[in-house]
Order: sequence, then C-alpha cells, then structure tokens
Amino acid sequence: DGGITQSPKYLFRKEGQNVTLSCEQNLNHDAMYWYRQDPGQGLRLIYYSQIVNDFQKGDIAEGYSVSREKKESFPLTVTSAQKNPTAFYLCASSNDRGNTDTQYFGPGTRLTVL
Amino acid sequence: GQNIDQPTEMTATEGAIVQINCTYQTSGFNGLFWYQQHAGEAPTFLSYNVLDGLEEKGRFSSFLSRSKGYSYLLLKELQMKDSASYLCAVGGGSQGNLIFGKGTKLSVKP
Repeated sequence: DGGITQSPKYLFRKEGQNVTLSCEQNLNHDAMYWYRQDPGQGLRLIYYSQIVNDFQKGDIAEGYSVSREKKESFPLTVTSAQKNPTAFYLCASSNDRGNTDTQYFGPGTRLTVL
Repeated sequence: GQNIDQPTEMTATEGAIVQINCTYQTSGFNGLFWYQQHAGEAPTFLSYNVLDGLEEKGRFSSFLSRSKGYSYLLLKELQMKDSASYLCAVGGGSQGNLIFGKGTKLSVKP
C-alpha cells in the first residue's frame, strides 16, 4: 500500500534534548512538508523540500532542522533551541513541487516535553 | 497579508445539512482545499476547487467564488462519524505551501 508513515506516534522528551521525528513516503512524491499543529491554531509550516538535497524554511523554522538525502525520507529534528516544542507534528507530501497539488498527510507524531 | 477565516465551531443534527464557510485573502491563489481531521488524527483530503462553481462528491460538495474570496463545504445527510474538524486551505503561499485556516469543529448530535 502506498502512503506516508511517521514514527513514533507518541514521543516524550526531556528539556534540553534533541529529538528526531521520522517521515517516510512510498508515493514517489517530489515534495515533502513538515507542519506543526497546536490547539486552536491552524497548521503552520516548519520546513519543506521540493527535491532531494534541497529544503526551505517555512514560517516557524527556528529551533528545527531537516535533511532530505533520499526522495522517500524527510526527518525533522526538534532541537533544544525550540522554546515550546510540545505539539502535534504532521508530515505531508505532494506530487507537484508547487502548491497546486493535493498534499497527503502522515498519521502524525505527538511530542511532549517533560 | 495572508488570512483565512472560518467559524470555530458548529453543531448540527444527524441527517441534516450543514454549510461550513471559508473566506480568504492571500497574495496568490492556486486552488482551495478542504480537509477533514478527526481528533488526534491526520487531515484527510476532501475536495479541491480551482475554478468558480460547485464540485460534488457524494454527500460532500464544495463551492468556490474567486472574486469574493469565498468557499463553502456542504455536508448532506449528516452522520455521527462526520463529527470532526474541517480545514480550509488555500494554495497561494509564496513558499510553495498551503495556507491553512484554524479549522471548524463540527459536532453532530443525534
């Protein structure tokens, strides 16, 4: 089955620790995205990548880092510099490098900082 | 600036029809998307409009007026499983991304 997977589903982290969230897709999509969702807020773009070995900052990139070494994978690292990392993190992909194509979402990772 | 507005919450009765409105002001426009998101889950794609008019897909329909910066999602024959948040998103971000509204939480009552 084609789709997007994210792991883990729930993640707990101590303050001061970096943590990496996994995102894998087998849809052969060029573009991949990371969003953050907080209660009462819309999805906010953290980073996106339109092609392998290239990625761009979104609206709230501070305290996060990404890599895109393979087309299928777009991991997100939440660093200790992120002031308020507790949130629901969603990865998405689309076939088109632009924003005219439908984005499909993974199941999400809920990160809690203890 | 970029702005998408939709009601925060709505309540409707099982079997009824509900219309969820979305207005937008964006620097660009490459289409409008509606997503459904159940609590704690990922958004799932419902519909896409790029031209003015109504797109029908089963119990769900979506309408777009580009001149008015307005869209609505129409849900017919409501079922309990339709209780979810409905996200309006515009393809128009300068960074090649979708711009999302805050979502409308729909509660369907028996």
